[in-house]
Amino acid sequence: GENVEQHPSTLSVQEGDSAVIKCTYSDSASNYFPWYKQELGKGPQLIIDIRSNVGEKKDQRIAVTLNKTAKHFSLHITETQPEDSAVYFCAASDNREYGNKLVFGAGTILRVKS
Amino acid sequence: DAGITQSPRHKVTETGTPVTLRCHQTENHRYMYWYRQDPGHGLRLIHYSYGVKDTDKGEVSDGYSVSRSKTEDFLLTLESATSSQTSVYFCAICELYEQYFGPGTRLTVT
Repeated sequence: GENVEQHPSTLSVQEGDSAVIKCTYSDSASNYFPWYKQELGKGPQLIIDIRSNVGEKKDQRIAVTLNKTAKHFSLHITETQPEDSAVYFCAASDNREYGNKLVFGAGTILRVKS
Repeated sequence: DAGITQSPRHKVTETGTPVTLRCHQTENHRYMYWYRQDPGHGLRLIHYSYGVKDTDKGEVSDGYSVSRSKTEDFLLTLESATSSQTSVYFCAICELYEQYFGPGTRLTVT
């Protein structure tokens, strides 16, 4: 089955700097790659996603890139702010069977220092 | 939280007791999921449902059962709770490709 690895496990950046979180996946059939942000005591919140037919997607200060050949995808946050501090999860799915069963990475704790 | 509620939000129970967690959605979504979240593991799929009375196992289904008798409710049951089932449990719904999560239930098995 699918396996998703996420790095780094923790990341500290200065306010205003960029942050990059990287994930690799094992199943070449995976075609959907979402990113979630989780704040303390809350459920994961979908922040951006990408499908395998595109290589990059951007939404204001966040962007995701996908390299299907290398089977890795990354989250880029520019001009980080203290409210970006949270745990971020990547996930992958092949969406072939019923529904959309996601396989998650272990998460990255992002701390933005002001 | 995409119209998803979970109950209870917190529960402490003893080893060997049965526990049922409830997920309720108000937007008639066909697909519903139960995940557990543990440090170092991200979220792992326990069971999912693709319609009323249609359910299937996920990655970590041992010790859990589910039922979906109505579109809006998806129940997760621990028949005999063990300490290894101490975790935070999240329910999710799927809209096209996108999954949206509920607020979670923190379960402690002592």
